[in-house]
Amino acid sequence: EAGVAQSPRYKIIEKRQSVAFWCNPISGHATLYWYQQILGQGPKLLIQFQNNGVVDDSQLPKDRFSAERLKGVDSTLKIQPAKLEDSAVYLCASLSGRPMNTEAFFGQGTRLTVV
Amino acid sequence: AQKITQTQPGMFVQEKEAVTLDCTYDTSDPSYGLFWYKQPSSGEMIFLIYQGSYDQQNATEGRYSLNFQKARKSANLVISASQLGDSAMYFCAMREGTGFQKLVFGTGTRLLVSP
Repeated sequence: EAGVAQSPRYKIIEKRQSVAFWCNPISGHATLYWYQQILGQGPKLLIQFQNNGVVDDSQLPKDRFSAERLKGVDSTLKIQPAKLEDSAVYLCASLSGRPMNTEAFFGQGTRLTVV
Repeated sequence: AQKITQTQPGMFVQEKEAVTLDCTYDTSDPSYGLFWYKQPSSGEMIFLIYQGSYDQQNATEGRYSLNFQKARKSANLVISASQLGDSAMYFCAMREGTGFQKLVFGTGTRLLVSP
């Protein structure tokens, strides 16, 4: 079974520029999470999709971050304009369904550096 | 409010010894799942072990076991016979059973195994 794919792996941009990250979850997984992980901290949930609908985006800075999951499969996360404090690893994870004992599978992440 | 608390920023253990990583959680949902993930320096998130709120026995997976004390709301990870490859960040996470099962993480504990 193919894992969660993310691209790019690394991205360096200047502040005020825009950037987009892509995630392809495991086939058939209805739940998709985007996390921001600042160096030395735990992952912070930005947004959660159930199929193609947003079910939680309470910690997404909506003035600059946006995300979509068209057709309930791939997802993109965009930052526009980027700030220095957005430097972090952005992790995508997917989950197959409701049974509580199913774990979320993570992609390798995208390391963003804003200079 | 912080749902997952990991109070040990760093832990040291000698090879072949056992180590306990602490995790406390906060929820009013009777149905929830607790997860431990390992994150090596390479960055991927590796699922280790799961404990459900209704599980009668503590979970075990090879050298990993979970000391689940429901009344105290703690779910400590025990690693027996530590190996050098166990050096990594360890995250405790919780998914609540109601709603859309948001997956939230603690701040992590960095484990260093010395020869």
